[in-house]
Amino acid sequence: QKEVEQNSGPLSVPEGAIASLNCTYSDRGSQSFFWYRQYSGKSPELIMSIYSNGDKEDGRFTAQLNKASQYVSLLIRDSQPSDSANYLCAGPSNSGYALNFGKGTSLLVTP
Amino acid sequence: DGGITQSPKYLFRKEGQNVTLSCEQNLNHDAMYWYRQDPGQGLRLIYYSQIVNDFQKGDIAEGYSVSREKKESFPLTVTSAQKNPTAFYLCASRRDSANTGELFFGEGSRLTVL
Repeated sequence: QKEVEQNSGPLSVPEGAIASLNCTYSDRGSQSFFWYRQYSGKSPELIMSIYSNGDKEDGRFTAQLNKASQYVSLLIRDSQPSDSANYLCAGPSNSGYALNFGKGTSLLVTP
Repeated sequence: DGGITQSPKYLFRKEGQNVTLSCEQNLNHDAMYWYRQDPGQGLRLIYYSQIVNDFQKGDIAEGYSVSREKKESFPLTVTSAQKNPTAFYLCASRRDSANTGELFFGEGSRLTVL
């Protein structure tokens, strides 16, 4: 059973700080991972995708994949109150045809 | 504008009634998905379809049915057999059936059973 686990939080950081969100996964063979941001009452929107070991940066966001330790992380630099949301980590499903989602980590950025 | 349209956004249903949620995409994506989200929970897969006229059960398919008669459409019926149907339902699509790449989501349909 392929699973994706996240700490539900809430994670509270002050404005301007770095927020670090983590996710672990059970299937060593999984290749691709995604971070989605979901505001309350809204649908998820893609923040980052990562397919290979190492770091991938896009603006204030950095995704990190460590296949040896089976974890994925998302760093948000210069956190803003508008970053306050639920962040969902996703990896391949058991069938490989869909995505399995973690329960999400709630992030609160305080002014 | 390309995207995924779900309707209705809000729906109230009495117990014992079936209800159908619409999902239409104009992205020309092969694969489509239905997920359910409950408060404090992640997304759980109900059904998915890789190609027209074919679909597969996900992790929580009991009490639900789908059809995929057209590439752009993937409606979900919540039947009276679904014991706890109140939830936020999300339809998604993926560009290719090679199973790489992200899912794109519609805005969701919130179903409340009275």
